[in-house]
Amino acid sequence: DQQVKQNSPSLSVQEGRISILNCDYTNSMFDYFLWYKKYPAEGPTFLISISSIKDKNEDGRFTVFLNKSAKHLSLHIVPSQPGDSAVYFCAASAQTGANSKLTFGKGITLSVRP
Amino acid sequence: DVKVTQSSRYLVKRTGEKVFLECVQDMDHENMFWYRQDPGLGLRLIYFSYDVKMKEKGDIPEGYSVSREKKERFSLILESASTNQTSMYLCASSPGQDKGEKLFFGSGTQLSVL
Repeated sequence: DQQVKQNSPSLSVQEGRISILNCDYTNSMFDYFLWYKKYPAEGPTFLISISSIKDKNEDGRFTVFLNKSAKHLSLHIVPSQPGDSAVYFCAASAQTGANSKLTFGKGITLSVRP
Repeated sequence: DVKVTQSSRYLVKRTGEKVFLECVQDMDHENMFWYRQDPGLGLRLIYFSYDVKMKEKGDIPEGYSVSREKKERFSLILESASTNQTSMYLCASSPGQDKGEKLFFGSGTQLSVL
């Protein structure tokens, strides 16, 4: 049973417009969420995170929104750029101890058209 | 910057061979992880380690084993490679000091089992 779901496998947007990538989770113990970006033939790189005590975190063009009651988070990229074209993974962890492992979604392939 | 180095970018092995995938991190991180990435399945955790000589099974440990004799090195072993183990293998590490900390990934090893 997938605990972190990225139901849309792909998204295509025009350069300069907003990209909205969605993620849902089922485990109510998850309290920390991260987004990773992955280019082909490279390892994932950390993009942005949010703790469950917040509902929004912003870093430059990237903003993550968390709706705990809906168990939903989204990543907004504004404005989108062609270099943002990559696979984006949503990940979550339950901070049950000093060490916690991440559970990843299946990923969304974002294509930004020039 | 944290550097996680995987010894091979590409590997081709035959069915039944014993395969070793090596990973080294240079930031004295406590935690190390092995994931595999497959199209449509995202990142799935195979094994992880919170300390030297310590290992724990992830979500898909069958057919794999690991070794962590030194803090900086985490090896993934395929005892008898099979075609369904053809995949992109990603090693990651994290400091192990804070809850919900992010993972740092290597560039990945694309393994093909023929």
